[in-house]
Amino acid sequence: GAVVSQHPSWVICKSGTSVKIECRSLDFQATTMFWYRQFPKQSLMLMATSNEGSKATYEQGVEKDKFLINHASLTLSTLTVTSAHPEDSSFYICSAIRGDTGELFFGEGSRLTVL
Amino acid sequence: AQSVTQLGSHVSVSEGALVLLRCNYSSSVPPYLFWYVQYPNQGLQLLLKYTTGATLVKGINGFEAEFKKSETSFHLTKPSAHMSDAAEYFCAVSDHNNNDMRFGAGTRLTVKP
Repeated sequence: GAVVSQHPSWVICKSGTSVKIECRSLDFQATTMFWYRQFPKQSLMLMATSNEGSKATYEQGVEKDKFLINHASLTLSTLTVTSAHPEDSSFYICSAIRGDTGELFFGEGSRLTVL
Repeated sequence: AQSVTQLGSHVSVSEGALVLLRCNYSSSVPPYLFWYVQYPNQGLQLLLKYTTGATLVKGINGFEAEFKKSETSFHLTKPSAHMSDAAEYFCAVSDHNNNDMRFGAGTRLTVKP
């Protein structure tokens, strides 16, 4: 079946550094990808929607300069957390819409811990 | 715009008992509805989804859900709980293009031996 892979699964970084998380659709072309953030024991909050080759659409309250999203190809979207701080520590999950069927698939998530 | 309300942040049942997790939705368009399960430190696994057609949807692991338009509900049930069902369950709603998917707050299911 269709697979969406996130890398890295776990990342620990120092405060002030930038971290990039990749979301790849391994066996299909993804016309649209989504990034979610999940705090401990809470639900998933949609951060942004990204379409290949165009700028991401951010949800209200999400800082686009803080969370840089790039959807450079039909199989890859990246989320870069710039100048990370401890409050950015969270579980980040991506999802992708398969272009030929319209089905939605989720990645396994990436846990970011900022020290 | 879509939204989802899950009643009960924590549900506890005994092994073998009925599982009922409640979900109500709000949508300005006919919705697509989903139930996902999440185990600790893992991503989401799709249990079942309703798009069109039959309102009683059967999913994996013995779960099923019924779309009731008049009640704007999509409750998840399983006749007999198993220890392995203990997890966090999320109800979600989206439009017909799978865009703008919104999640409920989640319900943590605990299964007692």
